[in-house]
Amino acid sequence: AQSVTQLGSHVSVSEGALVLLRCNYSSSVPPYLFWYVQYPNQGLQLLLKYTSAATLVKGINGFEAEFKKSDTSIHLTKPSAHMSDAAEYFCAVSGGSNYKLTFGKGTLLTVNP
Amino acid sequence: GAGVSQSPSNKVTEKGKDVELRCDPISGHTALYWYRQSLGQGLEFLIYFQGNSAPDKSGLPSDRFSAERTGGSVSTLTIQRTQQEDSAVYLCASSPDRGLTDTQYFGPGTRLTVL
Repeated sequence: AQSVTQLGSHVSVSEGALVLLRCNYSSSVPPYLFWYVQYPNQGLQLLLKYTSAATLVKGINGFEAEFKKSDTSIHLTKPSAHMSDAAEYFCAVSGGSNYKLTFGKGTLLTVNP
Repeated sequence: GAGVSQSPSNKVTEKGKDVELRCDPISGHTALYWYRQSLGQGLEFLIYFQGNSAPDKSGLPSDRFSAERTGGSVSTLTIQRTQQEDSAVYLCASSPDRGLTDTQYFGPGTRLTVL
């Protein structure tokens, strides 16, 4: 079975500050990991995905994530928050014969001016 | 090109009624997924279609839920005898191939409210 835990249901940062959204996974097989963003009343958009090619993954909109097998983590970071980054962020895992995504509960990011 | 589209965007129904939700995947995408997003349960997998293979229905919460995909393209999710706990946003996604690293492209969702 696979699972994802996102630490912090709500994260608040100031504009220009570092964004750090935490995600830990559990998987009995090598995982594939995804970060999605959801803006209000919209579907999910892929930010980045880890497919074992490289541990540091760069995504869209200046986001990146580092896969750490020792910590079973793939935390999402962005050096400088922008007001437009305010959204809900979801971490998800697939792997083995499991093509369907298992999602975390999500983290709502607010950016204060 | 066009993304995944879903209709209707909003649906309000009375308890006990049947509803049909529609998904048009990205042209050429052979894999199609349905997920449900609710406040209590978060994002949950419902069903998966891949080409002509039998669908994976392992996520459907009850036998009131069913889905079909006609001609390998459009999909319809049907909920019979709706209950208040069925209120949620139903998201459809498609991907080009059955690959574990494939990106799933999501539609905007259908918000279902059961009164």
